[in-house]
Amino acid sequence: DVKVTQSSRYLVKRTGEKVFLECVQDMDHENMFWYRQDPGLGLRLIYFSYDVKMKEKGDIPEGYSVSREKKERFSLILESASTNQTSMYLCASSLTAGGREDTQYFGPGTRLTVL
Amino acid sequence: RKEVEQDPGPFNVPEGATVAFNCTYSNSASQSFFWYRQDCRKEPKLLMSVYSSGNEDGRFTAQLNRASQYISLLIRDSKLSDSATYLCVVTDDTGKLIFGQGTTLQVKP
Repeated sequence: DVKVTQSSRYLVKRTGEKVFLECVQDMDHENMFWYRQDPGLGLRLIYFSYDVKMKEKGDIPEGYSVSREKKERFSLILESASTNQTSMYLCASSLTAGGREDTQYFGPGTRLTVL
Repeated sequence: RKEVEQDPGPFNVPEGATVAFNCTYSNSASQSFFWYRQDCRKEPKLLMSVYSSGNEDGRFTAQLNRASQYISLLIRDSKLSDSATYLCVVTDDTGKLIFGQGTTLQVKP
């Protein structure tokens, strides 16, 4: 079974703090993704990566950056946390990009609250 | 217009009922289609892929209508454990997944 783990289930930070969210997958997947999920808005893609040291902006990258130094690890960074970044953050990985079999496997999520 | 639209519900049905959800998508170039299930406070998990010919997995049947750009999910003989949010997902023309906001199903005893 594919396993995607995230460093924290719950996180509380203060406005202006730098926040690191870590994601690790154990199935040698090429692709990794960071989403946020908010009520009424569904999942929105923040950043994704198709390879080590490679990153692409998703639909809402503002206020975020990412790092992928190793294939299994994809980090999301909030340079200066703000209250509108309070959300559920979900990491996902997939073997391939695009196509019928491109199942994305999600981690359990990190519920981040910014005070 | 949202790229993937779903009725958020909630759909409240008794055990044993048949329930159907529809989803519409705006990008005619979408190639792949999925239904994901998300339990309360849990991560989304793939329920089934949706093929042009339609596909069935036990009590679940998924259909795709490319001409009208909609996808459906039919659940027969609903169980209490089917209570969840069902996310309609399509790929855009770069292969990225676009998620609908989900339809909530509550199955009552």
